[in-house]
Amino acid sequence: AQKITQTQPGMFVQEKEAVTLDCTYDTSDPSYGLFWYKQPSSGEMIFLIYQGSYDQQNATEGRYSLNFQKARKSANLVISASQLGDSAMYFCAMRAGGTSYGKLTFGQGTILTVHP
Amino acid sequence: GAGVSQTPSNKVTEKGKYVELRCDPISGHTALYWYRQSLGQGPEFLIYFQGTGAADDSGLPNDRFFAVRPEGSVSTLKIQRTERGDSAVYLCASSLKGNTEAFFGQGTRLTVV
Repeated sequence: AQKITQTQPGMFVQEKEAVTLDCTYDTSDPSYGLFWYKQPSSGEMIFLIYQGSYDQQNATEGRYSLNFQKARKSANLVISASQLGDSAMYFCAMRAGGTSYGKLTFGQGTILTVHP
Repeated sequence: GAGVSQTPSNKVTEKGKYVELRCDPISGHTALYWYRQSLGQGPEFLIYFQGTGAADDSGLPNDRFFAVRPEGSVSTLKIQRTERGDSAVYLCASSLKGNTEAFFGQGTRLTVV
């Protein structure tokens, strides 16, 4: 079974500062993918970034980067230069197995609030 | 369509009634997923289709829940004898086979009174 743990129910950050959202995972599968999604108050889940378990480099997408520490089983999301529009719920998720499709297991989420 | 479309956006039903929730995936996406999200929680997997067949239905909570995708495009999630505990947002997502990213719809908020 797969498990995702997000230990920060809520985080606050000042506009233009960087923030790290924590995520740890547990799986016995050697091949897996890690995802971060943003869910604004509108409810839609917006894909942010993906990291494969065999990827050598940490994933980056614009202001988002994923700090992947395989030995610690952590996949923290770093948002640089926070913007007011970054205020939302953030979910870490995992897909286990060697395929690029299949179910995602989500964590409980972290509510991020960006202050002006 | 441009994105995953779910209808209705809101549904209020009485306990014991039958409901159908519809998902229209992105055109050409072969994989379709249903998730359920309770307030303050992360989405929980229900069922996954690859084409017309259910590739993984391990998340369906009991036999009151059923989903179909007869032509490999639109999917319907069916809930019989609804209970108050079924109240949640039901999310649908689709992806192109071989791609990692799944695109989500806005969800259907189901309230059982």
